[in-house]
Amino acid sequence: KQEVTQIPAALSVPEGENLVLNCSFTDSAIYNLQWFRQDPGKGLTSLLLIQSSQREQTSGRLNASLDKSSGRSTLYIAASQPGDSATYLCAATGNQFYFGTGTSLTVIP
Amino acid sequence: SAVISQKPSRDICQRGTSLTIQCQVDSQVTMMFWYRQQPGQSLTLIATANQGSEATYESGFVIDKFPISRPNLTFSTLTVSNMSPEDSSIYLCSVTGASNTGELFFGEGSRLTVL
Repeated sequence: KQEVTQIPAALSVPEGENLVLNCSFTDSAIYNLQWFRQDPGKGLTSLLLIQSSQREQTSGRLNASLDKSSGRSTLYIAASQPGDSATYLCAATGNQFYFGTGTSLTVIP
Repeated sequence: SAVISQKPSRDICQRGTSLTIQCQVDSQVTMMFWYRQQPGQSLTLIATANQGSEATYESGFVIDKFPISRPNLTFSTLTVSNMSPEDSSIYLCSVTGASNTGELFFGEGSRLTVL
């Protein structure tokens, strides 16, 4: 069964810093890797989707990469802002969606 | 993309009661997914709802506890029956978009607290 791990579980950074969030998965036979943002008590907002044939996707200050052979994906956030404070989850798509437990990000003004 | 509306956004319920959560999508979709997110945990798939057939439940979830309706291609409901404090969670409706990329979209979630 696919297992998805996100380390660290929590991260605090000062405003303006660039940061990287990590996502590892055990089964490289995935269709997609998707990153989400979740604000407290709310649903998930899709940030970036990387299809299995792709290596990376970019949206604004966000860049996500995928290395299937090593079972890793990273989400790079440039010039972090307090409004980026949220929990970030990754999900690997196989025969169903497998979610990590998330990284809780706090950006300190 | 897909826009998903969920109601209620939050509720406080008494032990032993039942609550129905509604999920409305702005486009026709084949499958709708219901997830549960317990406090501090990741998402767990409860069931997949297909229009015109019985929902498919994941291990550990049963129809008597979580009955699901799927009357058409844009709407579904999930009922949490005979609630206990252990059912306090965020319940999330989701769909894959129409683009066939497999991208998953979520509603705003329904945050239930059972006293």
